[in-house]
Amino acid sequence: DIQMTQSPSSLSASVGDRISITCRASQSISTYLNWYQQKPGKAPELLIYAASSLQSGVPSRFSGSGSGTDFTLTISSLQPEDSATYYCQQSYTTPPLTFGGGTKVEIK
Amino acid sequence: EVQLVESGGGLVQPGGSLRLSCAASGFTFSSYSLNWVRQAPGRGLEWVSFISSSGSPIYYADSVKGRFTISRDNARNSLYLQMNSLRAEDTAVYYCARDRLGIAADGAFDYWGQGALVTVSS
Repeated sequence: DIQMTQSPSSLSASVGDRISITCRASQSISTYLNWYQQKPGKAPELLIYAASSLQSGVPSRFSGSGSGTDFTLTISSLQPEDSATYYCQQSYTTPPLTFGGGTKVEIK
Repeated sequence: EVQLVESGGGLVQPGGSLRLSCAASGFTFSSYSLNWVRQAPGRGLEWVSFISSSGSPIYYADSVKGRFTISRDNARNSLYLQMNSLRAEDTAVYYCARDRLGIAADGAFDYWGQGALVTVSS
């Protein structure tokens, strides 16, 4: 199975800051990498698919990059509503589809 | 508007069974692959099962293989998860999730239900 490792596991930043979350795959997954945002008590929401494509309706401050084994989710200007947990997910192999452990983003 | 609504969750004893349903609306159900994803309390996301638009192929996570069965009824716009031989470690919120690309299925989930809580405890 492909293992997905996210870092950091949590971060705290101020409104307006630029933040990045990294996701590393245990083997090459090309660009079969998706990012989700989950707020407490809610279902996850798709932010980025295929490593860098912005899902419809997602604010442009979110962006994704990377290929192979190393990927990054960037929020260019952190907003209060971005407080959430973010998950990466590989869709290179099925089964199983695998998620990273999550990164909790808090607003200072 | 695309909607996925899970039902059937609840409290069940270890070794027991439960059947989850996911009612879909707002899209051509028979054209999309679907998945079940679960989240144990305070934990991350775990993919559970996949079913293609036609009903085959089907895939399972190793943790549920042989105990869970995914199925769908395209005439009723419904997805199901039959869960047998339940264990304490199956306690989680179970989400149904639609694959973004329909029949082509790229593994990105663009719509999720609100989740159904399954608690396995004596």
